[in-house]
Amino acid sequence: DAKTTQPNSMESNEEEPVHLPCNHSTISGTDYIHWYRQLPSQGPEYVIHGLTSNVNNRMASLAIAEDRKSSTLILHRATLRDAAVYYCILGGGATNKLIFGTGTLLAVQP
Amino acid sequence: NAGVMQNPRHLVRRRGQEARLRCSPMKGHSHVYWYRQLPEEGLKFMVYLQKENIIDESGMPKERFSAEFPKEGPSILRIQQVVRGDSAAYFCASSPRVSNTEAFFGQGTRLTVV
Repeated sequence: DAKTTQPNSMESNEEEPVHLPCNHSTISGTDYIHWYRQLPSQGPEYVIHGLTSNVNNRMASLAIAEDRKSSTLILHRATLRDAAVYYCILGGGATNKLIFGTGTLLAVQP
Repeated sequence: NAGVMQNPRHLVRRRGQEARLRCSPMKGHSHVYWYRQLPEEGLKFMVYLQKENIIDESGMPKERFSAEFPKEGPSILRIQQVVRGDSAAYFCASSPRVSNTEAFFGQGTRLTVV
């Protein structure tokens, strides 16, 4: 399974944009890029996913580099409720199983 | 449409007892996944099931752990003769199809072995 690299932690201020980076230099041509987040004491929650083009939904935007070796999850206006561990995951693939890394712990300051 | 339902939310078992964790997927979802999160660690894939079939059990411990997803009823993760190292949060996820789609997670069952 292809590996992703994320910073262990990041901080943001409330109502400011947050850019969460992810490196995935060994990504294959068919790997999708998935983002999930896990709030304290809760199950993971889907955020967004994409293959090549940038993607937007009500929660976030996903910017994918042209060579697909990195991507950035963008939260446009962070709120206190966005404090969570954010996981960047490759594949899904034929079985849609998710291989979680250690993720980025996002702290949001009021 | 109710989300993925897991029960119980909290389960305490003594060493040597059996633990049965239940997962009802979202309506219309026939793909179920189980993940385990040990204290202070990340989530680890355990098993992927479709109705009545185990498709991928590459993350399941070789002994004491089993999973099923019968034609009727919830998916069950069974842990026999529990040990303290089995204490963890167990999450179930479901999806409507198999490839590159959103997975919906339950709130988890927190197993404590005393």
